[in-house]
Amino acid sequence: QKEVEQNSGPLSVPEGAIASLNCTYSDRGSQSFFWYRQYSGKSPELIMSIYSNGDKEDGRFTAQLNKASQYVSLLIRDSQPSDSATYLCAVNSGGYQKVTFGTGTKLQVIP
Amino acid sequence: KAGVTQTPRYLIKTRGQQVTLSCSPISGHRSVSWYQQTPGQGLQFLFEYFSETQRNKGNFPGRFSGRQFSNSRSEMNVSTLELGDSALYLCASSPTGYDQPQHFGDGTRLSIL
Repeated sequence: QKEVEQNSGPLSVPEGAIASLNCTYSDRGSQSFFWYRQYSGKSPELIMSIYSNGDKEDGRFTAQLNKASQYVSLLIRDSQPSDSATYLCAVNSGGYQKVTFGTGTKLQVIP
Repeated sequence: KAGVTQTPRYLIKTRGQQVTLSCSPISGHRSVSWYQQTPGQGLQFLFEYFSETQRNKGNFPGRFSGRQFSNSRSEMNVSTLELGDSALYLCASSPTGYDQPQHFGDGTRLSIL
């Protein structure tokens, strides 16, 4: 069973702080990794994709991938109350769309 | 560019009935995936279609089926509905489905009475 693990939270951070969200996966053959944001009652929205080891930055978001340790993380700098949502980690175990989602981490940004 | 469109947005059915959900992908996207989302299980993969062919299938019973048409639009059918089928059903599309991010529709909220 290929698994993707996330801490369900909630993770509470003060406004302006850095939020760090983590995800581990079991399939060493995984090739592509995605972070989605899902507001309550809404559908998932793609934030970032990452394919290679290291960091990838997009605005206030940084995704980090370490394939040797089988984890991927998402950093949100200068967190805003509007960032309060559930963040889903998704892992494609290779090839065509065989994507496994974690159960998500709920982030609360406190004003 | 229009996003992924799912219809209907809400459905109420009773046990034993069947239901068909529809998904129109982003223009040019040929890979369509379906997911079931429940509070307890999170997002569970149902199946993925590309060029009218099912390429991947999740661990759901045969009551769940789907198809894709030549214009990439996809339908999902659930027969003999059970209370446990109450969920948000999400459709996602990508250009070819190969190591690409997916874009989700707004979903169909299915309630079984």
